Amino acid sequence: EDKVVQSPLSLVVHEGDTVTLNCSYEVTNFRSLLWYKQEKKAPTFLFMLTSSGIEKKSGRLSSILDKKELFSILNITATQTGDSAIYLCATTGANSKLTFGKGITLSVRP
Amino acid sequence: EAQVTQNPRYLITVTGKKLTVTCSQNMNHEYMSWYRQDPGLGLRQIYYSMNVEVTDKGDVPEGYKVSRKEKRNFPLILESPSPNQTSLYFCASSLYQRTEQYFGPGTRLTVT
Repeated sequence: EDKVVQSPLSLVVHEGDTVTLNCSYEVTNFRSLLWYKQEKKAPTFLFMLTSSGIEKKSGRLSSILDKKELFSILNITATQTGDSAIYLCATTGANSKLTFGKGITLSVRP
Repeated sequence: EAQVTQNPRYLITVTGKKLTVTCSQNMNHEYMSWYRQDPGLGLRQIYYSMNVEVTDKGDVPEGYKVSRKEKRNFPLILESPSPNQTSLYFCASSLYQRTEQYFGPGTRLTVT
């Protein structure tokens, strides 16, 4: 059975801090890893990673995948209160199922 | 506007009363999927559909049915709802299975 584990489950930081969110996975015939941000509504897409070692970047957010060690990290620099959300990691495998981790709740205090 | 719509957004019902939650997308996406989200358990896939007339079970399909008669619509059917199906439900679609998914606004279902 495919498994996605995110850590930590929650964290609290202050504005301006840098945070690193972790996602490890065990997926049969891994195809891709996706990061989503969920505020008080539906998840919104952040990144999709398929190749190891290639960083995806969007503003203050960046993500990288390590297919050898089976993990990904999502970095947020200079955090703002608007970054407070649940961050979800998901993987796709050969059987077309998406498997999500339980999410990381990030709280950014002013 | 490109979007995924779900109806109803909120529903309170009683055990055993059949219900359908509709999902529609206007992006001509091949892949559609239903999830439920519960505290401490995250998002879990119920059913997914690779294309019209092709559906398959996700991780938690028991108690649910789906159909995909047209590309744009993917309704979720609860034939005999039970209280353990009280949850927040999301429909999502993507161009293909391995591309980014767009989520609907969610349906909060309470079964008493």
